[in-house]
Formats: sequence, C-alpha cells, structure tokens
Amino acid sequence: DAGVIQSPRHEVTEMGQEVTLRCKPISGHNSLFWYRQTMMRGLELLIYFNNNVPIDDSGMPEDRFSAKMPNASFSTLKIQPSEPRDSAVYFCASSLVGGGIDEQFFGPGTRLTVL
Amino acid sequence: SQQGEEDPQALSIQEGENATMNCSYKTSINNLQWYRQNSGRGLVHLILIRSNEREKHSGRLRVTLDTSKKSSSLLITASRAADTASYFCATEEEYGNKLVFGAGTILRVKS
Repeated sequence: DAGVIQSPRHEVTEMGQEVTLRCKPISGHNSLFWYRQTMMRGLELLIYFNNNVPIDDSGMPEDRFSAKMPNASFSTLKIQPSEPRDSAVYFCASSLVGGGIDEQFFGPGTRLTVL
Repeated sequence: SQQGEEDPQALSIQEGENATMNCSYKTSINNLQWYRQNSGRGLVHLILIRSNEREKHSGRLRVTLDTSKKSSSLLITASRAADTASYFCATEEEYGNKLVFGAGTILRVKS
C-alpha cells in the first residue's frame, strides 16, 4: 500500500485566494483526520470523518474552512478566502477504528504558505 | 486544546545513551500513543498502551503508564543518530473518540 497520499506537497498562494488540499486515505480505513501543525500551536485536530461522515468539526477555526469526504477514498480541505495566518503544515491521517482509536497513519503533509 | 504535555521540550544526548521523555495528561483516557516525526515528514506511530496496561516494550522502546498520576514515559535505549526527531504523546480521551496530541519533545542524538 502506498500509505496516505496528500497533494499538493507545497502550496504558495496569495491572501484571498481559495486553497484546496487533497487526501487519499489508506484503502480499507474507515476514519480520516485533518490536522494543522504550526510552531505556535503545535498539532491541532481540525475535523475527522468516520465512514465518510463528519463526526467532530469543533477544531475547524472558522467558516473559511470546510472539509468534505465524498467517498471512502478521497477527502478535501478547502480554505476560502485564505489568510496569512493559515500558513501551516496540514496533515491528513487515516485509521481503522473499531471500538476506539488505534494507530493513525499520517500522510507527508501539505506545506501551505499564504502571502 | 492540548491534552498531553511532554517534558522536556528538548533533549540532547550522545549516541548509545538512553533517552527518557515524559508525558502528562489531564482527563481519563482509553489509551496513550507515542509518535515520532522526522523533520519535514508526517508522524509515525511508535507504540500504543491501553489504560489497563502499565508497561509495554517494542524493540528499543519501553513505555510506562501511570493512570493514577496521569503520566507516561517513553524510554529509548541505546540511542542512535537516526533517533533524532520530535516525539509526541497522544491520548484518546475516555469519551472523546479522537486523539489529542502534546507539544512534543525534540530529541537530538549526537554521533
């Protein structure tokens, strides 16, 4: 298996532009997580899906952020409009969740820079 | 919000020495996990210990869990330069069904 795949790996955009980050989880996993990592705030959970349904989006910073999971093999995180403070590394992770949260497999991340 | 708090924030040791990192948390948990992150990479799962376990081993890794003190420690024995990375603890809260990560410990192993 190729692991969790994220694209793009790097994104540089200007303030006000729309940004779309993409994630392909590991086949067979039923849960998908979006995280944001910055020096100041560390690793923050933004949203997670179970069986393609958003379960907890309490970490989504504001209405400019939205996430979708149209099927078991694809998810997007969209920021519209983007702001410089959104600059961070965004990770997608997937897991096979049964009775609880076990090991999460992380993608390589997307480094976002908003100018 | 961060549940786990790692200590120390940074650790520098010589190759061959042991490295110990600690994690404290605040609420009841189902399990506690340790992850490693190499610079510029995603996190990699190292080991999971459940709330009813006290100690677990995996290769050169030893993890302990003290639920009465709400703390865990990760010991890496006979460290190698390749162990240089950031190490994070993550807790699955008893009623949360999600992982909450600490701020991490930066480990540097000098050869």
